[in-house]
Amino acid sequence: KQEVTQIPAALSVPEGENLVLNCSFTDSAIYNLQWFRQDPGKGLTSLLLIQSSQREQTSGRLNASLDKSSGRSTLYIAASQPGDSATYLCAESGGGADGLTFGKGTHLIIQP
Amino acid sequence: ETGVTQSPTHLIKTRGQQVTLRCSSQSGHNTVSWYQQALGQGPQFIFQYYREEENGRGNFPPRFSGLQFPNYSSELNVNALELDDSALYLCASSSRIHEQFFGPGTRLTVL
Repeated sequence: KQEVTQIPAALSVPEGENLVLNCSFTDSAIYNLQWFRQDPGKGLTSLLLIQSSQREQTSGRLNASLDKSSGRSTLYIAASQPGDSATYLCAESGGGADGLTFGKGTHLIIQP
Repeated sequence: ETGVTQSPTHLIKTRGQQVTLRCSSQSGHNTVSWYQQALGQGPQFIFQYYREEENGRGNFPPRFSGLQFPNYSSELNVNALELDDSALYLCASSSRIHEQFFGPGTRLTVL
């Protein structure tokens, strides 16, 4: 059974700081990894998808990296804003029909 | 382009009842997956449908069943509801194993 771990579980930082969220996974045959944002009681918004053949993806102030050899991914958020406050989830796929395996998420609070 | 939609938004049932949740996939997507998210946890994979057939299943009992229709919309059925079935149920659509796009979810409360 594959496992995904996210550290830290919660993070509170002042507005404007750059920050890094961590995700580790046990699947050595990972096909892709996806980062999501979830606002309270809402569905998931896809932020970035990294294929196993890629090392990083960027979208605006977000940059996600993937290191298959170490089983780690990071999500870098530049110049954080209060609107970035949410829970961030990472999920890996083995490429089959077993769905995504999720971590428990990092609850992020950006203080104005 | 229409995103993934789910209905109903909220639902309250009593233990032992049956429930049906619905999902319309994003245009052009032929694969639908269902997830259960308990409070404070990451989503757990229930099952996946591709071209109207279940082709993958997580660690959920048979009382969790589903359907996919020719237009790729899908239903999740749960029989004999238990208190622990209270959760947010999420539907995601994708074109096979590519990026998954999630709907807003259905909040199920079992009393």
